[in-house]
Amino acid sequence: GQSLEQPSEVTAVEGAIVQINCTYQTSGFYGLSWYQQHDGGAPTFLSYNALDGLEETGRFSSFLSRSDSYGYLLLQELQMKDSASYFCAVTRAAGNKLTFGGGTRVLVKP
Amino acid sequence: GAGVSQSPSNKVTEKGKDVELRCDPISGHTALYWYRQSLGQGLEFLIYFQGNSAPDKSGLPSDRFSAERTGGSVSTLTIQRTQQEDSAVYLCASSPNAGAVGYTFGSGTRLTVV
Repeated sequence: GQSLEQPSEVTAVEGAIVQINCTYQTSGFYGLSWYQQHDGGAPTFLSYNALDGLEETGRFSSFLSRSDSYGYLLLQELQMKDSASYFCAVTRAAGNKLTFGGGTRVLVKP
Repeated sequence: GAGVSQSPSNKVTEKGKDVELRCDPISGHTALYWYRQSLGQGLEFLIYFQGNSAPDKSGLPSDRFSAERTGGSVSTLTIQRTQQEDSAVYLCASSPNAGAVGYTFGSGTRLTVV
């Protein structure tokens, strides 16, 4: 079987930093992706990690530790527009489909 | 097209009826995926097409669900004899090829079975 665990909800204030953790148990691992989804909207791709370490894209960074089966998404300088659900997703083999976690709802308060 | 297009955006159907959901992927994208998302939940994989290869149907929840992709482009997801538990948002995504990083999702079809 396979599972991805992430917190269900996180609340923070504007300007703060939020870290969303994702732990996975899968038979095979190729890479970890992160997607953002606003209410009623389509998921949009944020980042991808195949190797250990940190990937930075503007205010968002993503980290992967393959040995710990763990990754996180870091949201810095939070803005109101960052209120959304964030999903981690695993690719188990090259060319394989994504398996998604249950999502973390981030609520940004003024 | 510029993005992934899905139709209809909303569908209300009576229990027991058949429905067809359409997905028009980005032109040139060879990989196409269908996912289902229930309210407040994650994305559940349904089926995956890559070029001319046999589709990966491992996520289809029952034999009432089927999908096809004609000419390597447009895909149709069919649900026969709909049940109330089929109510969800059905999302389609495409990517340039099977190994590409990052899917582009459509806005989905919200299916309500009454």
